[in-house]
Amino acid sequence: GAVVSQHPSRVICKSGTSVKIECRSLDFQATTMFWYRQFPKKSLMLMATSNEGSKATYEQGVEKDKFLINHASLTLSTLTVTSAHPEDSSFYICSAPTREPWAQYFGPGTRLLVL
Amino acid sequence: GQNIDQPTEMTATEGAIVQINCTYQTSGFNGLFWYQQHAGEAPTFLSYNVLDGLEEKGRFSSFLSRSKGYSYLLLKELQMKDSASYLCAAMDSNYQLIWGAGTKLIIKP
Repeated sequence: GAVVSQHPSRVICKSGTSVKIECRSLDFQATTMFWYRQFPKKSLMLMATSNEGSKATYEQGVEKDKFLINHASLTLSTLTVTSAHPEDSSFYICSAPTREPWAQYFGPGTRLLVL
Repeated sequence: GQNIDQPTEMTATEGAIVQINCTYQTSGFNGLFWYQQHAGEAPTFLSYNVLDGLEEKGRFSSFLSRSKGYSYLLLKELQMKDSASYLCAAMDSNYQLIWGAGTKLIIKP
Protein backbone atom coordinates (compact mmCIF):
# COMPACT_ATOMS: atom_id res chain seq x y z
CA GLY A 1 0.00 0.00 0.00
CA ALA A 2 0.86 3.67 -0.10
CA VAL A 3 3.34 5.10 2.40
CA VAL A 4 2.88 8.13 4.60
CA SER A 5 5.69 9.35 6.82
CA GLN A 6 5.48 11.61 9.82
CA HIS A 7 8.20 13.49 11.64
CA PRO A 8 9.11 13.67 14.45
CA SER A 9 7.82 10.45 15.98
CA ARG A 10 8.17 11.79 19.48
CA VAL A 11 8.72 15.26 20.90
CA ILE A 12 8.99 16.68 24.39
CA CYS A 13 8.78 20.44 24.76
CA LYS A 14 8.32 23.11 27.37
CA SER A 15 5.03 24.85 27.89
CA GLY A 16 4.72 27.94 25.70
CA THR A 17 6.89 26.72 22.84
CA SER A 18 5.70 25.78 19.36
CA VAL A 19 6.07 22.38 17.77
CA LYS A 20 5.92 21.56 14.07
CA ILE A 21 4.89 18.12 12.83
CA GLU A 22 5.43 17.11 9.20
CA CYS A 23 3.37 14.65 7.21
CA ARG A 24 4.57 13.40 3.84
CA SER A 25 3.05 11.10 1.25
CA LEU A 26 6.09 9.26 -0.08
CA ASP A 27 4.86 7.46 -3.19
CA PHE A 28 1.71 9.31 -4.17
CA GLN A 29 0.33 12.82 -4.37
CA ALA A 30 -2.26 13.97 -1.87
CA THR A 31 -4.29 17.12 -2.46
CA THR A 32 -5.96 16.42 0.86
CA MET A 33 -4.50 15.24 4.14
CA PHE A 34 -6.18 14.74 7.48
CA TRP A 35 -4.91 15.51 10.97
CA TYR A 36 -6.18 13.47 13.89
CA ARG A 37 -5.66 13.51 17.60
CA GLN A 38 -6.01 10.46 19.79
CA PHE A 39 -6.09 10.24 23.56
CA PRO A 40 -5.19 6.97 25.30
CA LYS A 41 -7.78 4.26 24.74
CA LYS A 42 -9.98 6.65 22.79
CA SER A 43 -10.98 6.78 19.15
CA LEU A 44 -9.44 9.02 16.55
CA MET A 45 -10.68 12.59 16.60
CA LEU A 46 -10.48 14.49 13.33
CA MET A 47 -8.99 17.91 13.94
CA ALA A 48 -8.77 19.36 10.45
CA THR A 49 -8.59 18.67 6.75
CA SER A 50 -5.53 20.06 5.03
CA ASN A 51 -6.04 21.18 1.43
CA GLU A 52 -3.20 21.84 -0.99
CA GLY A 53 -3.43 25.36 -2.33
CA SER A 54 -6.18 26.53 0.01
CA LYS A 55 -7.00 26.99 3.67
CA ALA A 56 -7.46 24.05 5.97
CA THR A 57 -10.92 23.10 7.17
CA TYR A 58 -11.13 22.80 10.94
CA GLU A 59 -13.57 20.69 12.91
CA GLN A 60 -15.83 22.32 15.44
CA GLY A 61 -14.03 23.11 18.66
CA VAL A 62 -10.53 23.05 17.17
CA GLU A 63 -8.73 26.39 17.44
CA LYS A 64 -7.30 27.31 14.06
CA ASP A 65 -4.92 29.86 15.57
CA LYS A 66 -3.50 27.27 17.89
CA PHE A 67 -3.20 24.42 15.41
CA LEU A 68 -1.73 25.96 12.27
CA ILE A 69 -1.89 23.83 9.16
CA ASN A 70 0.02 24.41 5.94
CA HIS A 71 -0.28 22.15 2.91
CA ALA A 72 2.86 23.29 1.13
CA SER A 73 2.87 20.81 -1.73
CA LEU A 74 1.12 17.73 -3.05
CA THR A 75 3.23 15.58 -0.75
CA LEU A 76 3.67 17.66 2.40
CA SER A 77 1.38 18.99 5.11
CA THR A 78 2.53 20.47 8.41
CA LEU A 79 0.76 20.93 11.71
CA THR A 80 2.19 23.51 14.12
CA VAL A 81 1.00 23.46 17.69
CA THR A 82 1.56 27.03 18.85
CA SER A 83 2.17 28.01 22.45
CA ALA A 84 1.81 24.42 23.55
CA HIS A 85 0.35 23.61 26.96
CA PRO A 86 0.32 20.34 28.91
CA GLU A 87 -3.28 19.66 27.81
CA ASP A 88 -2.02 19.56 24.20
CA SER A 89 -0.05 16.43 25.04
CA SER A 90 -1.46 13.71 22.84
CA PHE A 91 -0.85 11.36 19.91
CA TYR A 92 -1.16 13.26 16.63
CA ILE A 93 -1.66 11.25 13.46
CA CYS A 94 -1.90 12.39 9.86
CA SER A 95 -3.40 10.48 6.99
CA ALA A 96 -3.71 10.84 3.24
CA PRO A 97 -6.40 9.32 1.03
CA THR A 98 -5.92 7.47 -2.22
CA ARG A 99 -8.54 6.90 -4.86
CA GLU A 100 -8.98 3.86 -7.09
CA PRO A 101 -8.71 1.93 -4.93
CA TRP A 102 -10.15 3.95 -2.08
CA ALA A 103 -8.08 3.86 1.06
CA GLN A 104 -6.68 6.19 3.65
CA TYR A 105 -3.14 5.65 4.81
CA PHE A 106 -1.87 6.83 8.13
CA GLY A 107 1.48 8.17 9.15
CA PRO A 108 3.11 6.46 12.15
CA GLY A 109 2.00 9.25 14.48
CA THR A 110 3.75 11.83 16.66
CA ARG A 111 3.63 11.57 20.41
CA LEU A 112 3.74 15.05 21.92
CA LEU A 113 4.49 15.64 25.57
CA VAL A 114 4.33 19.21 26.84
CA LEU A 115 5.94 19.76 30.21
CA GLY B 1 -26.77 12.56 12.97
CA GLN B 2 -23.92 10.36 11.91
CA ASN B 3 -23.05 7.40 14.06
CA ILE B 4 -20.92 4.26 14.08
CA ASP B 5 -21.50 1.45 16.58
CA GLN B 6 -19.17 -1.45 17.31
CA PRO B 7 -18.57 -3.52 20.44
CA THR B 8 -16.09 -2.12 22.91
CA GLU B 9 -14.23 -5.33 23.58
CA MET B 10 -14.18 -8.96 22.46
CA THR B 11 -12.21 -11.99 23.58
CA ALA B 12 -11.32 -14.99 21.43
CA THR B 13 -9.03 -18.01 21.52
CA GLU B 14 -5.90 -18.50 19.44
CA GLY B 15 -6.70 -20.50 16.31
CA ALA B 16 -10.41 -19.69 16.45
CA ILE B 17 -12.59 -17.37 14.36
CA VAL B 18 -14.04 -14.04 15.49
CA GLN B 19 -16.52 -11.67 13.88
CA ILE B 20 -16.52 -7.98 14.76
CA ASN B 21 -19.75 -6.20 13.84
CA CYS B 22 -20.26 -2.58 12.89
CA THR B 23 -23.44 -0.65 12.19
CA TYR B 24 -23.42 2.82 10.69
CA GLN B 25 -25.65 5.79 9.98
CA THR B 26 -24.18 8.46 7.73
CA SER B 27 -25.24 11.32 5.49
CA GLY B 28 -24.69 9.56 2.21
CA PHE B 29 -22.35 6.61 1.90
CA ASN B 30 -19.16 6.11 -0.05
CA GLY B 31 -17.79 2.97 1.51
CA LEU B 32 -16.81 1.25 4.74
CA PHE B 33 -13.24 0.85 6.00
CA TRP B 34 -11.69 -1.43 8.59
CA TYR B 35 -8.41 -0.59 10.26
CA GLN B 36 -6.23 -2.40 12.77
CA GLN B 37 -4.49 -0.42 15.49
CA HIS B 38 -1.95 -1.87 17.91
CA ALA B 39 -1.44 -0.04 21.17
CA GLY B 40 0.72 3.03 20.75
CA GLU B 41 0.76 2.82 16.97
CA ALA B 42 -1.15 4.46 14.12
CA PRO B 43 -3.97 2.54 12.39
CA THR B 44 -3.17 0.32 9.41
CA PHE B 45 -5.56 -0.21 6.54
CA LEU B 46 -7.26 -3.62 6.35
CA SER B 47 -10.16 -3.37 3.92
CA TYR B 48 -12.59 -1.21 1.98
CA ASN B 49 -16.11 -2.26 0.93
CA VAL B 50 -18.50 -0.20 -1.13
CA LEU B 51 -20.59 -2.96 -2.74
CA ASP B 52 -22.69 -5.51 -0.89
CA GLY B 53 -21.01 -8.79 -0.21
CA LEU B 54 -17.93 -10.42 1.19
CA GLU B 55 -14.35 -9.43 0.37
CA GLU B 56 -11.73 -11.97 1.37
CA LYS B 57 -8.09 -11.11 1.93
CA GLY B 58 -6.09 -13.92 3.46
CA ARG B 59 -7.17 -14.61 7.03
CA PHE B 60 -9.30 -11.45 7.08
CA SER B 61 -12.65 -10.96 5.36
CA SER B 62 -15.00 -8.00 5.40
CA PHE B 63 -18.71 -7.99 4.66
CA LEU B 64 -21.07 -5.14 3.80
CA SER B 65 -24.86 -4.80 3.61
CA ARG B 66 -25.75 -1.29 2.50
CA SER B 67 -29.47 -1.79 2.97
CA LYS B 68 -28.92 -2.75 6.61
CA GLY B 69 -26.15 -0.25 7.32
CA TYR B 70 -24.08 -3.17 8.57
CA SER B 71 -20.59 -4.53 8.15
CA TYR B 72 -18.46 -7.14 9.84
CA LEU B 73 -14.80 -8.04 9.92
CA LEU B 74 -14.08 -11.77 10.12
CA LEU B 75 -10.72 -12.95 11.40
CA LYS B 76 -9.83 -16.63 10.94
CA GLU B 77 -7.07 -18.75 12.43
CA LEU B 78 -6.47 -16.17 15.11
CA GLN B 79 -2.90 -15.48 16.14
CA MET B 80 -1.65 -13.73 19.26
CA LYS B 81 -0.42 -10.85 17.09
CA ASP B 82 -4.04 -10.16 16.09
CA SER B 83 -4.62 -8.71 19.57
CA ALA B 84 -5.35 -5.07 18.72
CA SER B 85 -8.14 -2.56 18.34
CA TYR B 86 -10.19 -2.80 15.17
CA LEU B 87 -11.68 0.44 13.90
CA CYS B 88 -14.70 0.67 11.65
CA ALA B 89 -15.12 3.88 9.60
CA ALA B 90 -17.80 4.88 7.12
CA MET B 91 -17.20 7.45 4.40
CA ASP B 92 -20.03 9.95 4.05
CA SER B 93 -21.20 11.91 1.02
CA ASN B 94 -18.40 14.46 1.54
CA TYR B 95 -15.82 11.65 1.45
CA GLN B 96 -15.13 12.25 5.13
CA LEU B 97 -14.53 9.26 7.42
CA ILE B 98 -16.81 8.82 10.41
CA TRP B 99 -14.98 6.69 12.96
CA GLY B 100 -16.25 4.14 15.42
CA ALA B 101 -14.69 4.01 18.87
CA GLY B 102 -12.94 0.74 18.03
CA THR B 103 -13.24 -2.83 19.26
CA LYS B 104 -10.44 -4.10 21.46
CA LEU B 105 -9.80 -7.72 20.56
CA ILE B 106 -8.08 -9.87 23.18
CA ILE B 107 -6.65 -13.19 22.03
CA LYS B 108 -6.09 -15.88 24.65
CA PRO B 109 -3.83 -18.91 24.19
